Amino acid sequence: GIQVEQSPPDLILQEGANSTLRCNFSDSVNNLQWFHQNPWGQLINLFYIPSGTKQNGRLSATTVATERYSLLYISSSQTTDSGVYFCAVPDNYGQNFVFGPGTRLSVLP
Amino acid sequence: KAGVTQTPRYLIKTRGQQVTLSCSPISGHRSVSWYQQTPGQGLQFLFEYFSETQRNKGNFPGRFSGRQFSNSRSEMNVSTLELGDSALYLCASSLLAPGSDEQYFGPGTRLTVT
Repeated sequence: GIQVEQSPPDLILQEGANSTLRCNFSDSVNNLQWFHQNPWGQLINLFYIPSGTKQNGRLSATTVATERYSLLYISSSQTTDSGVYFCAVPDNYGQNFVFGPGTRLSVLP
Repeated sequence: KAGVTQTPRYLIKTRGQQVTLSCSPISGHRSVSWYQQTPGQGLQFLFEYFSETQRNKGNFPGRFSGRQFSNSRSEMNVSTLELGDSALYLCASSLLAPGSDEQYFGPGTRLTVT
């Protein structure tokens, strides 16, 4: 089945810094989502981005489907950005999502 | 529009007992998926329902089962609970299918088995 990798596994930043999170996937996909899991466990939708670039405030994402990767950019990070960031893609049959292992981000004040 | 809701939010059960978790999808969404999240295994797919039919199932033992009602609400059941079933159980809904539509997650049910 499709494999999803994320890097780095852990990231510690000072408030105000910028960061780039990467998601690699092993097969072509027609759907990709980025999520932020808050400390209470809720998965918050960040981007639905099968290809191209999207921006939402301090966050933006780019997916290059032909090269099988996606990037999530966080600018001017805040302590509330802390948590785990997941990317997810459909399995080979499009019947469920396969999640990456996540990047744990800690933003220090 | 109301989001995905899950009940209960927290649950403590004893080994050998059974448990039922409930999920109400976003209005109009017909696909409901369930995931288990544990520190060791990450987020793993359990099953997906559409129009009261299970369309896809992950690699979990038969103790894990589910169903979907005509209003798209879904329940999952775990029988003969084991310590390893302690996890966060997340439900997600999408319009038609997780592979082609954006998925939205509920807040989760945190199950502790003692």
